[in-house]
This record gives sequence, structure tokens and C-alpha cells, in this order.
Amino acid sequence: QVQLKESGPGLVQPSQTLSLTCTVSGFSLTSYSVHWVRQHSGKSLEWMGRMWSDGDTSYNSAFTSRLSISRDTSKSQVFLKMNSLQTEDTGTYYCARTTEGIVWVMDAWGQGASVTVSS
Amino acid sequence: DIQMTQTPSSMPASLGERVTISCRASQGISNYLNWYQQKPDGTIKPLIYYTSNLQSGVPSRFSGSGSGTDYSLTISSLEPEDFAMYYCQQYDSSPPTFGAGTKLELK
Repeated sequence: QVQLKESGPGLVQPSQTLSLTCTVSGFSLTSYSVHWVRQHSGKSLEWMGRMWSDGDTSYNSAFTSRLSISRDTSKSQVFLKMNSLQTEDTGTYYCARTTEGIVWVMDAWGQGASVTVSS
Repeated sequence: DIQMTQTPSSMPASLGERVTISCRASQGISNYLNWYQQKPDGTIKPLIYYTSNLQSGVPSRFSGSGSGTDYSLTISSLEPEDFAMYYCQQYDSSPPTFGAGTKLELK
């Protein structure tokens, strides 16, 4: 059974760094990509970045150099780190899986991790 | 970035009704268009991939169509569990982008 689960602090202070973990089961990180997608409260979805099966990464330029995605394949975990957090970064953060063909869809999602940026 | 304009933003509808949600891309996206459903508890699942392909396990009352810049999701006969948010997503070019969503509400 394919599962993804996000974890991390629910509250982060402004200017600090957000660290989230996506723990997966039922598939291998060396065979699938894992994406991070953000949703502001009541708003649409925003693609943040991707960890490819070969360990390469792709990022949304909207996050410039604030965002870093890494992984530990031995623990089946993908990590998101984003620094210089502002209140606008408040939202729910999802990780999702895709294949790596030309045609792909996010076919499994985590339940989301709610993050509030506030002092 | 490619902008995805999704209409309507909300849609009151009745059980058994046929509904269509539209999505227009700011440029051609060569059918690289997916549809997702989000329930009030935040759960997200895929419905349609590559414009018209039904994701495994999704009921056949869901269908997708389109080409170029214009795409649509149709639900042929609404069931109670279909009242949710729906999002389109393009992946023709990076970054992948989503529509603003359509809230399907019980009339």
C-alpha cells in the first residue's frame, strides 16, 4: 500500500527555517519522484519542487534560493527545508508521488502538514 | 509560468446532475493536463491524467476532454461524495501550475 506522510513543526517563527519530512512506504524513492506542493488556507495549490529518483532536484523559481529538497533513501524519507520564512508561508504542505515518464500524475498524496508562521 | 484559469470558482448542483468544469491555459499545453479532487479534510486524489485518462479506481462518471488551451472535466451524474474541490494542473512546462479550483456544492 502506497503511503506518504508529512511531519514537522506546526509553528515556525518569522525569519526561521522550516524543516519538513515526507516518509514514504509501499514504493522506493529510487523508482519514483516525490514532489512538494503548498496550499495557502482556502487557496489553490502551488508546486514547490521535486526530488527525482536519481537524486536530482528541480525547484520552482518562485522560491529562489530559499528552498532545498533532499532525501535519505535508507529511511525512505524526503526532506524540505525552506529558510527566511514569512507569514505568507503559512499553509499546508503536501508531498506527492509521480512516475517520471513524459506523462505523469501525482497519484498518491500525503495528508498534509499544517504550518503556521508566527511569532 | 503558464497560468491556468479555472471556471466556475463555485458551482451549486444537485444529485444526479451533469456538471462540467473548465480550465483554460495561458498557452497551449499539448494535453499535459491532470485533474484532482480535494475533500474538506484536505485529502487529495487524482481523477484524470493526460487530459482524458481515468485514474485507476476512479468511477466512470468522471471524464476529461480538451486540447490546445481548453480543457474540461465532466461528472455525468453527481453522487453525494462528489461534492468537493476540483483542481486542474498542467505539466507541459515547469513549474507545473494549478487552477484556482472549483468548489462543487450541493444546491
